[in-house]
Amino acid sequence: GQNIDQPTEMTATEGAIVQINCTYQTSGFNGLFWYQQHAGEAPTFLSYNVLDGLEEKGRFSSFLSRSKGYSYLLLKELQMKDSASYLCAVNGGDYKLSFGAGTTVTVRA
Amino acid sequence: GAGVSQSPSNKVTEKGKDVELRCDPISGHTALYWYRQSLGQGLEFLIYFQGNSAPDKSGLPSDRFSAERTGGSVSTLTIQRTQQEDSAVYLCASSYTGDHNSPLHFGNGTRLTVT
Repeated sequence: GQNIDQPTEMTATEGAIVQINCTYQTSGFNGLFWYQQHAGEAPTFLSYNVLDGLEEKGRFSSFLSRSKGYSYLLLKELQMKDSASYLCAVNGGDYKLSFGAGTTVTVRA
Repeated sequence: GAGVSQSPSNKVTEKGKDVELRCDPISGHTALYWYRQSLGQGLEFLIYFQGNSAPDKSGLPSDRFSAERTGGSVSTLTIQRTQQEDSAVYLCASSYTGDHNSPLHFGNGTRLTVT
């Protein structure tokens, strides 16, 4: 089966940095996605990693270590609008994504 | 352009009734997925359509659930004889190719409440 673990909640201050960790155990691996989901809205694509290393996109960066079954999403210069749930999802070797339960990030002024 | 559209956005139904949920994918996307999101749970895969191929129904939780995709576009998820445990947000997503690196584009979901 597939097992995706991420923390349930995180709180940070506006302007700060937050790192959301994701560990996975899957039967295969064809890439890892991060999605952002605001309450009552659709998840939206943030990043995709398939090779080890860091991918940077503006204030958001995502890191992958395949040997450790580990990824993190780094949010820099936090803004109030970054308050949302962040979903880690793994492609375990076919077209289906297995999702973690999501990490709710609350940004405080 | 237009995103993935789902209807209705909210549905309240009585236990034992049938419901139909509709998904309009992004035009030109060949792959279509249905997921279910329950409070505190990760998204649960239900079914996958790719072009004219037979769908992957391996995630459907029981034979009360069925889905079809007409003309390679619009999809309908049907739940017969609804039960309270069916209450969840049902999310539809489409992707351009269904390849492993092709991101999913989600609709806003249908929140189903079974009373």
